[in-house]
Parts: sequence; structure tokens; C-alpha cells
Amino acid sequence: NAGVTQTPKFQVLKTGQSMTLQCAQDMNHNSMYWYRQDPGMGLRLIYYSASEGTTDKGEVPNGYNVSRLNKREFSLRLESAAPSQTSVYFCASSEERILNQPQHFGDGTRLSIL
Amino acid sequence: GENVEQHPSTLSVQEGDSAVIKCTYSDSASNYFPWYKQELGKRPQLIIDIRSNVGEKKDQRIAVTLNKTAKHFSLHITETQPEDSAVYFCAASSGYQKVTFGTGTKLQVIP
Repeated sequence: NAGVTQTPKFQVLKTGQSMTLQCAQDMNHNSMYWYRQDPGMGLRLIYYSASEGTTDKGEVPNGYNVSRLNKREFSLRLESAAPSQTSVYFCASSEERILNQPQHFGDGTRLSIL
Repeated sequence: GENVEQHPSTLSVQEGDSAVIKCTYSDSASNYFPWYKQELGKRPQLIIDIRSNVGEKKDQRIAVTLNKTAKHFSLHITETQPEDSAVYFCAASSGYQKVTFGTGTKLQVIP
């Protein structure tokens, strides 16, 4: 049981390049999330998906787009990368049909924008 | 929206001593309070959580207390060990995706 799997683990981009971060979970969870983690700022929600076919903005959505491809997969796309998007990105999932369940995180993608 | 403040940002304790991390929240609708531990370069992992109908919960050396009136909750680690060294995040949720994280506490346990 792999849990939440993120690819790639590391990536370096040039300003203006585009990229898609992949996330898949095998726990049959309905809800999935994308966070970014910056030093001293904790985890900030970028986008989330309450269920297959739905997505909503979180706290810091600007510069990102998401796709909930199916129940297992939730991808995050940077259309035109900027240095301010250098961060560690975490995908998470939870079973929100039952209220207040913990989130399960992937190992993260360390993204540098030059 | 919800605002979660976490203190201290760094904490150093001697091995065997206790460590306490405190968080406050602003939204009275919040009713679920998880704590996550993140080791260096690793993913955040849930270590304990508490729901608003409970004032205290304990799991071996870890305990969490909740004061709904004052809107604060705390993590207590007793008999600290070097493997407790990590960054700890508190969070508050009113349910259904509305989870707000604190900014984290870096705990260092000195052998």
C-alpha cells in the first residue's frame, strides 16, 4: 500500500517554463489537496478537490491550475513558472465523507525556479 | 477565514525533559485539531488529533489539550528523546477541506 505518491521528487525549471506535478493515492479517498511549504510559513493550501470532478481554490491559487483526472489522481500545473514558486509541494488526501479525518501526505516535490 | 498562530517557532530541550507547543485559533466553528510531525526532508505525518467534544487526549508520551473557550490547544511531549527532534505543525479545521496550519515549531532534543 503506497499511500500518496508524488512525481517527480525534484525539478529545476527556468522562469517561464511550464510543468505538471503528478499525485496519485491508492486509499480510495474522495478529497485531495495541493499545498506549498515555504520556510517559516507552514503549509498553505493551493487547491483542493472534494471529489472527482470538482476543484476549488485554496489560500494561494494564483499561478497554478489543477486537474482531478479521476478519483486516484490530482495534478498541479504551473503554466509559466516564476522564481516565487520555488517551494516544496505536497499532495495530500483524506476521507472526507466522514467528517474531520486526518490528511495523508506524499513525500513532496522540491521545485526550484531559476 | 481561520487564523492559526503557533508558538514557539523554535524549542530546545534536554533529553528527558518535557516540551510544550501552543497554538491559538480564531474561528469558533473549528472543531478538529490535528498535530503533524515532519522530520527533515520527509512528509508531515499525523501524530495525534483531538475533536472539540474532548478536552484532553493522550497517546503514550504525547498529549494534546484543548480549551475551546480560550480558543487554544497545546501539544505536550514528555520524556523527550532525540528522535522527537522535528518540526511540529498544529492545525485547525471546521470540516470538509477547511484545514488551516500553524507555521510550525522546530523542536531540538539535546542528548
